[in-house]
Amino acid sequence: EAGVVQSPRYKIIEKKQPVAFWCNPISGHNTLYWYLQNLGQGPELLIRYENEEAVDDSQLPKDRFSAERLKGVDSTLKIQPAELGDSAVYLCASSKATRDTQYFGPGTRLTVL
Amino acid sequence: AQTVTQSQPEMSVQEAETVTLSCTYDTSESDYYLFWYKQPPSRQMILVIRQEAYKQQNATENRFSVNFQKAAKSFSLKISDSQLGDAAMYFCAYRSVTGANSKLTFGKGITLSVRP
Repeated sequence: EAGVVQSPRYKIIEKKQPVAFWCNPISGHNTLYWYLQNLGQGPELLIRYENEEAVDDSQLPKDRFSAERLKGVDSTLKIQPAELGDSAVYLCASSKATRDTQYFGPGTRLTVL
Repeated sequence: AQTVTQSQPEMSVQEAETVTLSCTYDTSESDYYLFWYKQPPSRQMILVIRQEAYKQQNATENRFSVNFQKAAKSFSLKISDSQLGDAAMYFCAYRSVTGANSKLTFGKGITLSVRP
């Protein structure tokens, strides 16, 4: 069974540029999470989807961050415009249902110059 | 709000020896889940072990076991017969049972090095 897939693995951009991250969850997993992991810290939740519905986006900075999961499978997280402080690893995770174990992808390391 | 504390930033263990990683947490809930995740340099967060708070028996997975002390709100991970491949960051995490709050709350992590 394939794991959670994320792309790209690395992204370097100039500040004020837009950037997008893609996540494909494990097949059959209805719940999808995006986490932000700063250097030397544990991940923090940005947004959680149940199928195509965003059910917890309270930690998502909505002035510059947006996310979508149009068909309840793949998801995209976007930042526009990026700031220096957005440099971090963006992790995607999925689970069969809300109460099940979360499985993580390899993450995207974003560097904003 | 729940918090997870990992007070040791780094630990080192000799290959084949045993090491214990500490974690404490704070919650007002009576039922919840606790996890240990491993994150090697590749960044893939891998589940090591899971404990359900209502179960008194400590979880074990091969060389990995936990010491769950609910009253003390302590959840330590013991790695027996340490191997070079165990070198990684280890995160302790908490998750509520209720579906409305299924996010994982992580500690800051501990870097484990294994000496050959």
